[in-house]
Amino acid sequence: RKEVEQDPGPFNVPEGATVAFNCTYSNSASQSFFWYRQDCRKEPKLLMSVYSSGNEDGRFTAQLNRASQYISLLIRDSKLSDSATYLCVVNKGFQKLVFGTGTRLLVSP
Amino acid sequence: DGGITQSPKYLFRKEGQNVTLSCEQNLNHDAMYWYRQDPGQGLRLIYYSQIVNDFQKGDIAEGYSVSREKKESFPLTVTSAQKNPTAFYLCASSGFSRQGSEQYFGPGTRLTVT
Repeated sequence: RKEVEQDPGPFNVPEGATVAFNCTYSNSASQSFFWYRQDCRKEPKLLMSVYSSGNEDGRFTAQLNRASQYISLLIRDSKLSDSATYLCVVNKGFQKLVFGTGTRLLVSP
Repeated sequence: DGGITQSPKYLFRKEGQNVTLSCEQNLNHDAMYWYRQDPGQGLRLIYYSQIVNDFQKGDIAEGYSVSREKKESFPLTVTSAQKNPTAFYLCASSGFSRQGSEQYFGPGTRLTVT
């Protein structure tokens, strides 16, 4: 089993839609989690950090379910500019992160 | 402006040559990291350094070497021993925190070896 698993997508949604991505992780001892956004041929950029049950920042909400070992990212009122690949990242300890392969989102007019 | 810089953006080399990728940060972060990204794969950790003059191998260190002589700088050398060096190389840095370790990335270097 991969340490971090994501549905690669793509998720095709119209502008204004709500979309959710899930990510599962295998290390039950992981304490911190992150969502990064990566545009095509660019570096990943930190979107949200999740240390407790969840986090919210504007249209973006991340939720953590430790019992089931998954993290979700919800995007409300999707914008064209949200089109990107979203990387689920898990801290495996000692400042080392494990990256998922990403979920691709395409928002269309 | 604080940030991480990597140079060059694109790099082309012939097989058998060593090449050094630059990474500099002015965020005053203690930890620095090197990753490579291949199409369809997640980022994989090559080397990391938590403090000056100390570094550890990541998951795919074979064929790579690093140095950390200054806090701001963490250059990566891709040696001729690396079997598949063509990739997108990303440098990151983070400050220590009790909760976690948000890492911030430089713009990356695309290395093509032919």
